[in-house]
Amino acid sequence: EAQVTQNPRYLITVTGKKLTVTCSQNMNHEYMSWYRQDPGLGLRQIYYSMNVEVTDKGDVPEGYKVSRKEKRNFPLILESPSPNQTSLYFCASSLYGTGPDQPQHFGDGTRLSIL
Amino acid sequence: RKEVEQDPGPFNVPEGATVAFNCTYSNSASQSFFWYRQDCRKEPKLLMSVYSSGNEDGRFTAQLNRASQYISLLIRDSKLSDSATYLCVVTRPYNNNDMRFGAGTRLTVKP
Repeated sequence: EAQVTQNPRYLITVTGKKLTVTCSQNMNHEYMSWYRQDPGLGLRQIYYSMNVEVTDKGDVPEGYKVSRKEKRNFPLILESPSPNQTSLYFCASSLYGTGPDQPQHFGDGTRLSIL
Repeated sequence: RKEVEQDPGPFNVPEGATVAFNCTYSNSASQSFFWYRQDCRKEPKLLMSVYSSGNEDGRFTAQLNRASQYISLLIRDSKLSDSATYLCVVTRPYNNNDMRFGAGTRLTVKP
């Protein structure tokens, strides 16, 4: 089954404790992206990647890191999480980018709570 | 001012009604436009791309007005299953891979 898989689905942790949210897709997509969704603000893009070893900042990259060492994986790293990073996070992928008729396939989401 | 603005609603309509949402965007050089649908506690899913000439997919019609910098979504003959939040998405100028989402418009279709 074609899918984008995020782990964990839920995480409660404390300020300053490094964490990684994994994202994996099995569709051989070149484009992958991370978003956070907050009430009233909608989805905001954190980072995106056009291909292996190519990553770019989105709208709200501060406090996050990503890497794209393999095509299928795009982990999101919070080196020193803070409470303002409490949010619902989505990973997405598409075949070549975000042009017309390039649907973004989203994972199920990861709900992070930073205390 | 937000780059992409939507009326949050909620829009409460009876089954069979026609309902329309607008979305305004601030940058006139934005390149691509989409409507996504998000069900409660679920991931967003592409509903349709929006083309310059307007486009239709069954009961859904999308329009783009570049002069006034808005896109619209029209839903005819609303079904209960259309209840969801509709997200307007715009890509940034000169970078079609940097996507900006509106906060969404919530629709509830009632029997």
